This record gives sequence, C-alpha cells and structure tokens, in this order.
Amino acid sequence: DQQVKQNSPSLSVQEGRISILNCDYTNSMFDYFLWYKKYPAEGPTFLISISSIKDKNEDGRFTVFLNKSAKHLSLHIVPSQPGDSAVYFCAASARGGADGLTFGKGTHLIIQP
Amino acid sequence: GAGVSQSPSNKVTEKGKDVELRCDPISGHTALYWYRQSLGQGLEFLIYFQGNSAPDKSGLPSDRFSAERTGGSVSTLTIQRTQQEDSAVYLCASSLVQLGSPLHFGNGTRLTVT
Repeated sequence: DQQVKQNSPSLSVQEGRISILNCDYTNSMFDYFLWYKKYPAEGPTFLISISSIKDKNEDGRFTVFLNKSAKHLSLHIVPSQPGDSAVYFCAASARGGADGLTFGKGTHLIIQP
Repeated sequence: GAGVSQSPSNKVTEKGKDVELRCDPISGHTALYWYRQSLGQGLEFLIYFQGNSAPDKSGLPSDRFSAERTGGSVSTLTIQRTQQEDSAVYLCASSLVQLGSPLHFGNGTRLTVT
C-alpha cells in the first residue's frame, strides 16, 4: 500500500509558465515533507522541504504548499525553465525527518521551449 | 566537499552470482541509507544505519540481502544468489542526524542481472 502517491507520471509545461506537481499521502504520522529532483544517471538532489507546522515554504522559484486536512502537498515552479526538466519525487517522514523517507513514484516534468 | 560516492556505477552479473555494492558517505554524516529504484517505481527503502545503533533492516526484501557499515563510515550492500528481479538502481544516501536534515544521495549503482 503506497503511503506517498504521485498520481501523474508525467507533466508537460511550456517554458515560462507555472509547473504544479502534486503529491498525496495517507499516513497521518508524517510530519515532514520534501521534494527531490532527479536527472538521468544521477542521484536525487534535495530541492525544498516543509514541516507540518507550516502550510507554505518558498525558496526562489520553488514553493511547496501543504494541506494537512487533505493530506496533500504540491510543488510550484514559476517561471519554469528548461533546466527544470527532470523527475520530481515527493517524500515524507515522521518525527521531523529523523526517520528514513518514504518516496512517491515520481513525476517526470518536461519543460517545452 | 565530496558528496556521497558509490561504486561501481554499473554492474552486470549472471543470475545466481553474489554482488557487493559500496557506498562512501559524506564525512561527518552519521546516518546512512540504502534505497533501490526499480524501473517505473519510486525509491524503495532497504536499510538504515545510525551511528553505532543496530540497523533498521525492515526494508530488505529477502534474506539474500545484507548490509554492513564499518567504522561508522563506508557501507557495503551484498546481494547473494542474485535474481533478475534484483535488477534496479541501488542508491545510497547519508545525512546528519538532526531534525530537518535532508538526505544526500550518491549517483547510484545500476545493477543488471542477466
């Protein structure tokens, strides 16, 4: 049973527009959420995180929103750039990140020129 | 500083053979994780080491899988009697043990069992 779900395997967005990647979770014990970005033949790299005590965290072009009641989070990238084309993984953990992460299956974001 | 280093980057082996995958974590990181990513799947947790504590082996898929971490640094993941379903990218990650500290991943070892 998947505890972290990314229901869109792929997403295509035009350069300059907003990219919105979605993630749902089922485990109410999760209190720390992260987004990782992965290029082919490389390991995932940390992008942005959010604690359950917040509902928004912003870092440059990247913003993560958390809706605890809906058990849903989203990553917004604006404006989207060609270098943003990658697979994005949503991850969650309990105890503020002190435990290992549970990952979703990823969403392949394709930025079209 | 140097990131997480994994070797080999690629490994092709015959079904039934044993393989060893190596991970050098970032210096000073006391937590070390092994994950694997099968084709079309997310990252599957395998095992977690934290300092001198007993490892969390809850993610290991079978007793053919084992891992060691010597001296709190380098880790080796061993797969005995490999099967075709073991084919995947095996990723190692390390982190500081503090709330909110993200995992830093290596580039992985792509294992192909023929």
